[in-house]
Amino acid sequence: RKEVEQDPGPFNVPEGATVAFNCTYSNSASQSFFWYRQDCRKEPKLLMSVYSSGNEDGRFTAQLNRASQYISLLIRDSKLSDSATYLCVVRGTGRRALTFGSGTRLQVQP
Amino acid sequence: GAVVSQHPSWVICKSGTSVKIECRSLDFQATTMFWYRQFPKQSLMLMATSNEGSKATYEQGVEKDKFLINHASLTLSTLTVTSAHPEDSSFYICSARDLDTLSYEQYFGPGTRLTVT
Repeated sequence: RKEVEQDPGPFNVPEGATVAFNCTYSNSASQSFFWYRQDCRKEPKLLMSVYSSGNEDGRFTAQLNRASQYISLLIRDSKLSDSATYLCVVRGTGRRALTFGSGTRLQVQP
Repeated sequence: GAVVSQHPSWVICKSGTSVKIECRSLDFQATTMFWYRQFPKQSLMLMATSNEGSKATYEQGVEKDKFLINHASLTLSTLTVTSAHPEDSSFYICSARDLDTLSYEQYFGPGTRLTVT
């Protein structure tokens, strides 16, 4: 079983739509959780950290459910510029390196 | 903001040659840098953790004699792909964590696209 699992998509949505991505992780002792965005042939960039209390940044909302080992990302009012691959990322106990999910590809269409 | 650079951004080399990739933290110090590899349509896979002043820690399945890592200073780590083969063609990305912050955020370099012919 992969340490971090995501639905690869692609998710094709119209502009203005709300879309949600889910991610599960296998290590219950994982410490930190993130969503990164990666554009084609570019490095990943941090979108937001994910906290148990949930957090919001503009149109983006992230949630963490430790009991279910589940992380989500909600994007409201999708823009064309949101088209990218969204990576669910986990940092485990005692490890400073990050474990990446395989990513979920989003394509926002006009 | 924290900036990590990589050089070269892309390289094409012949099979059997060696290629060195540099990763630099430009405005912060990093005792630890990470090297990842990403094949097309796959996720980033950690290859090794580069530690300043000591040996790198390699992930299972990564050959340390083939992927030589040197972390000579707090701002520079190098990855040398020795005797490169076409199957080594990939996107190599480094990342670094700022020592002076309590955050675990890692800053990624722009990546190096290696093509071995």
